[in-house]
Amino acid sequence: AQSVTQLGSHVSVSEGALVLLRCNYSSSVPPYLFWYVQYPNQGLQLLLKYTSAATLVKGINGFEAEFKKSETSFHLTKPSAHMSDAAEYFCAVRENRDDKIIFGKGTRLHILP
Amino acid sequence: EPEVTQTPSHQVTQMGQEVILRCVPISNHLYFYWYRQILGQKVEFLVSFYNNEISEKSEIFDDQFSVERPDGSNFTLKIRSTKLEDSAMYFCASSVSANTEAFFGQGTRLTVV
Repeated sequence: AQSVTQLGSHVSVSEGALVLLRCNYSSSVPPYLFWYVQYPNQGLQLLLKYTSAATLVKGINGFEAEFKKSETSFHLTKPSAHMSDAAEYFCAVRENRDDKIIFGKGTRLHILP
Repeated sequence: EPEVTQTPSHQVTQMGQEVILRCVPISNHLYFYWYRQILGQKVEFLVSFYNNEISEKSEIFDDQFSVERPDGSNFTLKIRSTKLEDSAMYFCASSVSANTEAFFGQGTRLTVV
């Protein structure tokens, strides 16, 4: 069965600094991987997705993630953090033709002025 | 842009009462889901629904829960006899196929008192 581990429940970065949110997955078959963002009191918005095409995936708001099969990782990055990036970020995995998406526990990103 | 809509946005109910949470998935989507998020915790899968039947459910989705697609557009989650621990944000989601991302609604915050 698939699972997702997000390292760090809270991450703080300074405005303008690199954002790195870590995600490792476990899957018995090649997975589909996603990053969702949740702003305060809002729903889940898809940031980006990996579906076995390019290993470097670009998403909205300047975020990108790289699928590394050898490391079973799908870390989320952004070169320069903005105050508006403060939110909770969820990594998620879906196995091919499985009926559900499984979420990690989430990482709350804090942006320091 | 098509979106998943959920009503109501907030629901307060007394313990033991029945509640129905409503969702209108994106019109050409075939897979439907309910997830919940207890305050400060991870997003948990409850149930998936495809071809007018439950395709998968989690341990959380016990006999107190049921889902229905009564008219080809709405997708509802019913909790027969609510408990205090059912208080959470409930998210509806839909996807085109089993291999794609799910799009989430804004959620219904359920408070059981």
